[in-house]
Amino acid sequence: AQTVTQSQPEMSVQEAETVTLSCTYDTSESDYYLFWYKQPPSRQMILVIRQEAYKQQNATENRFSVNFQKAAKSFSLKISDSQLGDAAMYFCAYRRYFSGGSNYKLTFGKGTLLTVNP
Amino acid sequence: EAGVVQSPRYKIIEKKQPVAFWCNPISGHNTLYWYLQNLGQGPELLIRYENEEAVDDSQLPKDRFSAERLKGVDSTLKIQPAELGDSAVYLCASSFGTVNNEQFFGPGTRLTVL
Repeated sequence: AQTVTQSQPEMSVQEAETVTLSCTYDTSESDYYLFWYKQPPSRQMILVIRQEAYKQQNATENRFSVNFQKAAKSFSLKISDSQLGDAAMYFCAYRRYFSGGSNYKLTFGKGTLLTVNP
Repeated sequence: EAGVVQSPRYKIIEKKQPVAFWCNPISGHNTLYWYLQNLGQGPELLIRYENEEAVDDSQLPKDRFSAERLKGVDSTLKIQPAELGDSAVYLCASSFGTVNNEQFFGPGTRLTVL
């Protein structure tokens, strides 16, 4: 079974600074997807960024980028120029690549609570 | 475009009482997911529907939990009877298809069982 580990329960960053959230995962699969989701106090999970394991290039979405190290099974999220609105719970998630059955299940880590200080 | 709608947002009940949660997915999304999120944890999948068919319910505790999506649109998740350990957030998500498509989440229902 796949597992996702987020070793940082809480992180804080100063507004306009850069912060990196860590995530490691365990899988025997070679093809899969990795995601970072943001969950603000409103509880609505919002997709921040997605990485396909077969792509060597790290995904980037505006101020958000990832460092995907497939051999090390590491998938960290970097937030540049942090803003007050970035404060939220961040979840790393894994999903198998193949279709059918339980393969569409997202497996989440326990989350990292990010605080942004003005 | 309206997002995934869930109701109620909050529910407080006494143990052994029944409770139901409702979810209306994004229009046109044929795949619907129910997730359970315990305090301090990430969400865990309970059940996935493709149209009206439950194609993955392996994580649903069937002794007390049930779900339905009769017309392949909105869905109801029920717990009967509720236990103290069922206190959690119940999230609904939807997607168009499954293979490559993003799951969009609703705001969830926070259940407190006293």
